[in-house]
Amino acid sequence: GIQVEQSPPDLILQEGANSTLRCNFSDSVNNLQWFHQNPWGQLINLFYIPSGTKQNGRLSATTVATERYSLLYISSSQTTDSGVYFCAVERNYGQNFVFGPGTRLSVLP
Amino acid sequence: NAGVTQTPKFQVLKTGQSMTLQCAQDMNHEYMSWYRQDPGMGLRLIHYSVGAGITDQGEVPNGYNVSRSTTEDFPLRLLSAAPSQTSVYFCASSPPGREDTQYFGPGTRLTVL
Repeated sequence: GIQVEQSPPDLILQEGANSTLRCNFSDSVNNLQWFHQNPWGQLINLFYIPSGTKQNGRLSATTVATERYSLLYISSSQTTDSGVYFCAVERNYGQNFVFGPGTRLSVLP
Repeated sequence: NAGVTQTPKFQVLKTGQSMTLQCAQDMNHEYMSWYRQDPGMGLRLIHYSVGAGITDQGEVPNGYNVSRSTTEDFPLRLLSAAPSQTSVYFCASSPPGREDTQYFGPGTRLTVL
């Protein structure tokens, strides 16, 4: 099956700093999503981005499908950005997602 | 809309006991799925369903059963609980053609002693 790696595993930032999270996947995919799990455990869908670039406020994401990686950019980080960020991919549509191990982000005031 | 609801929020079982985790959504979503999340790890897919009457296995299906008799409900059954099934369980749903929009329930924290 598809393997998903994320880096770094842990990241500590001062409020206001920028960061880049990376997701590598081992095979071509039709579906790639980024999720944020807040400190209370709730999972929120951030981006659906099997290819190209998208932006939503201070967050943006880029997927280079031919090179099998995706990047999540967080600018001007806030303490509310803390939590775990997951990348999830799917080979074919059908909701058979494979999640990466996540990047745990801590933003300090 | 209530979104995706899961019950119970917490559960403690003894080894060998059985129970059903409930998941319901009121958004008329075709796709529903169950994941488990172990400490420090990402989510792993247990079972999923693309519509009423249709279910399929995910990455870690052993020890779990599912059924989908209605669009709204997708219960997960543990037939004989084992300590290895201690985990947080998440249910998710998404509408057909909108695979980019997955809605997750709040999770059920299960401990098997």
